[in-house]
Amino acid sequence: GAGVSQSPRYKVAKRGQDVALRCDPISGHVSLFWYQQALGQGPEFLTYFQNEAQLDKSGLPSDRFFAERPEGSVSTLKIQRTQQEDSAVYLCASSSLDESGEKLFFGSGTQLSVL
Amino acid sequence: AQTVTQSQPEMSVQEAETVTLSCTYDTSENNYYLFWYKQPPSRQMILVIRQEAYKQQNATENRFSVNFQKAAKSFSLKISDSQLGDTAMYFCACTGANSKLTFGKGITLSVRP
Repeated sequence: GAGVSQSPRYKVAKRGQDVALRCDPISGHVSLFWYQQALGQGPEFLTYFQNEAQLDKSGLPSDRFFAERPEGSVSTLKIQRTQQEDSAVYLCASSSLDESGEKLFFGSGTQLSVL
Repeated sequence: AQTVTQSQPEMSVQEAETVTLSCTYDTSENNYYLFWYKQPPSRQMILVIRQEAYKQQNATENRFSVNFQKAAKSFSLKISDSQLGDTAMYFCACTGANSKLTFGKGITLSVRP
């Protein structure tokens, strides 16, 4: 596709369930980022991949959060044993590098509601 | 470490008028970039404008321009000839060498017809 695609767009989970959120970056983009955006707040960094390598996971809030990008393209953010505080919009972005620098392209996010 | 502060939670402007959104930041990086993103109800973050910190000239993109005051660590966005489609949340952001964006809390802009 032309842009960053995320699925599902909405996810409702019962507390304690595991969820998996998918991100399809723009084809050829090496870098991929995950952000968490709580209601009324700005996005906060979760983790960063360069190809299949996870170079920075300092923003993951707990060991219940796990991200992967096994073939350097599609990425999955997994949250185990979801809690109410995990309710947020999860944004994925991929980036390209051109003569004017790096440009980030965002998807429309997955809105996760934990009941 | 970086911090970005947007102290105005919301603003309103009449269509065709000019509005300025404020942002201050702090960073330990020597080389960094500053951004303004627009987030409409569709949730997709759309890049409005980008400023490289080592460039003194203020960036402009059509009706959007910035006032970058490096010493004061201030990075405000001016929207000229406001349009109804400009209604959205606007986020100021900063990034260093690691490309990791730090966002402010955002401001809700409403353009009145």
